[in-house]
Amino acid sequence: GAGVSQSPSNKVTEKGKDVELRCDPISGHTALYWYRQRLGQGLEFLIYFQGNSAPDKSGLPSDRFSAERTGESVSTLTIQRTQQEDSAVYLCASSDSWGGWTEAFFGQGTRLTVV
Amino acid sequence: SQQGEEDPQALSIQEGENATMNCSYKTSINNLQWYRQNSGRGLVHLILIRSNEREKHSGRLRVTLDTSKKSSSLLITASRAADTASYFCATDAEGGSEKLVFGKGTKLTVNP
Repeated sequence: GAGVSQSPSNKVTEKGKDVELRCDPISGHTALYWYRQRLGQGLEFLIYFQGNSAPDKSGLPSDRFSAERTGESVSTLTIQRTQQEDSAVYLCASSDSWGGWTEAFFGQGTRLTVV
Repeated sequence: SQQGEEDPQALSIQEGENATMNCSYKTSINNLQWYRQNSGRGLVHLILIRSNEREKHSGRLRVTLDTSKKSSSLLITASRAADTASYFCATDAEGGSEKLVFGKGTKLTVNP
């Protein structure tokens, strides 16, 4: 595709429900990053992928959060038993290298609201 | 984890003035990037500077890097109302780590 695509754009869910957020990176990009951004705050690193592997999961806030990537393409971030503090914009980015050697391209994010 | 810290947190200027934002980081880096974010959604890449570079220009943007002070600055000259946005620096974390981490950002407001 032309850019990084995230879906859904907005998601409202009830506390305790599970949600899946999807990211379609730019074709051929080996690195994929997930970030969380609370209102008015900076980007909080969650996880990144090299191909289909996630060498660093240290940013995941709790064991309710998990992510996978398949086919060195689409990635899914799953939040189980959502809590109100999970409300945020979840941003995905892809790059043709990792560690900041080349620019990262961002999707428009998924705004998650837990009620 | 956050590697870069921008300051000021917020900056308000008049159209035509220059805007300077700073980023400090904690450990050695290979690269430093600056991004812009409008309306709290996707970020747009502005400029990348390597650790062996000291200055880089792109249009009205000028970025400097001082690795001895572990800091970088972004200068926007002749600002326009359309430059109103949040600006973030991003680096590889913890001396060559493969993840890309961002600071908390500077919110710039350019008044017409």
